[in-house]
Amino acid sequence: GQQVQQSPASLVLQEGENAELQCNFSTSLNSMQWFYQRPGGSLVSLFYNPSGTKHSGRLTSTTVIKERRSSLHISSSQTTDSGTYLCALVNTNTGKLTFGDGTVLTVKP
Amino acid sequence: GGIITQTPKFLIGQEGQKLTLKCQQNFNHDTMYWYRQDSGKGLRLIYYSITENDLQKGDLSEGYDASREKKSSFSLTVTSAQKNEMAVFLCASSYRAGSDYTFGSGTRLLVI
Repeated sequence: GQQVQQSPASLVLQEGENAELQCNFSTSLNSMQWFYQRPGGSLVSLFYNPSGTKHSGRLTSTTVIKERRSSLHISSSQTTDSGTYLCALVNTNTGKLTFGDGTVLTVKP
Repeated sequence: GGIITQTPKFLIGQEGQKLTLKCQQNFNHDTMYWYRQDSGKGLRLIYYSITENDLQKGDLSEGYDASREKKSSFSLTVTSAQKNEMAVFLCASSYRAGSDYTFGSGTRLLVI
């Protein structure tokens, strides 16, 4: 089965609403990373987060190793937050990233 | 600041053709990667390189070759393009394996 499962697959919000994106792993976690991908664009690293909680502006990432899950919380969503959010398992020995299929977020004005 | 550049941005090839994609970075990163992304899916690793002249296979290496000619550049070759193939190829780099990553903007491939 797939090593990295992301949910939901897609999410539609009204501007100002909050979003909670989930990432679950079926294997032991080396580290994990959250990325944002603009429509048709490159990936931007949001968080490199092996464990615990990290904050960046309106974004919060929480990784719980023993439960093999990580979440990304977006508060007060804006239309510019629209795009695809990808999480990835990081193998810190090889550098290999194993990605989930992503959550497509649409924020409507 | 640094930049990672992929060329070409768009590539249209014919079935059976050998196609080469290029990636350059000026971060002085040691490790570079090639990923493939199919529509609606996450990325899958094709090849990576820990240092100049090093080459390591990823999960999707069959049908591809790669070359790390120098520290700043990493090229990927599709050895025989498959008809109706359509994907985005993304290059990335990092200071060392497992540290924070920077991605290029991708090469979009269409095979007719």
